[in-house]
Amino acid sequence: EIVLTQSPGTLSLSPGERATLSCRASQSVSSSYLAWYQQKPGQAPRLLIYGASSRATGIPDRFSGSGSGTDFTLTISRLEPEDFAVYYCQQYGSSQKTFGQGTKVEIK
Amino acid sequence: QVQLVQSGSELKKPGASVKVSCKASGYTFTTYAMNWVRQAPGQGLEWMGWINTNTGNPTYAQGFTGRFVFSLDTSVSTAYLQISSLKAEDTAVYYCARAPQPSITWGQGTLVTVSS
Repeated sequence: EIVLTQSPGTLSLSPGERATLSCRASQSVSSSYLAWYQQKPGQAPRLLIYGASSRATGIPDRFSGSGSGTDFTLTISRLEPEDFAVYYCQQYGSSQKTFGQGTKVEIK
Repeated sequence: QVQLVQSGSELKKPGASVKVSCKASGYTFTTYAMNWVRQAPGQGLEWMGWINTNTGNPTYAQGFTGRFVFSLDTSVSTAYLQISSLKAEDTAVYYCARAPQPSITWGQGTLVTVSS
């Protein structure tokens, strides 16, 4: 099973600032099958990024993903008030899909 | 539009069983597999496994074998998650999420509370 470790656990930032979230895999993620989700309280997760760097339909371009192999990054270029939430990475390249433990982006 | 609607919250006693439903609409049910995801209170997401909606063949993630069963009723475009011998640690929100991975379409979640 591929273990995904996200860092930091919590990111305290102000609106307008840049957010950089990390997701590290215990082994190489096949074909960059790495996704990022956003989750707000009481809601289901929302897909942001798939294939490590492709934005899902309707996702603003302030969200970008990068990386390959074992190291991946989600960047939010300028935080909007609605971006404060928990973010999860997920690898879907192996038979056992796994999620990271999440990074909470909170208002400073 | 593509939609997954799950059954309502459940309160169960330890040792009981629960069956959560996930009704699909807006697409041909047997075209896409269905995944199940667990989220304990205040915790992260755990992928539980998936079921092939064409063949009915389930695949369970590590840690979700034995007491967890995925099933289907294709006549009503519905997937089910049954959990037996419930324990307090099964208290969580359970989501269905349509394939392909990564999932764009999720159910609204079903809260299962296990308490005496």
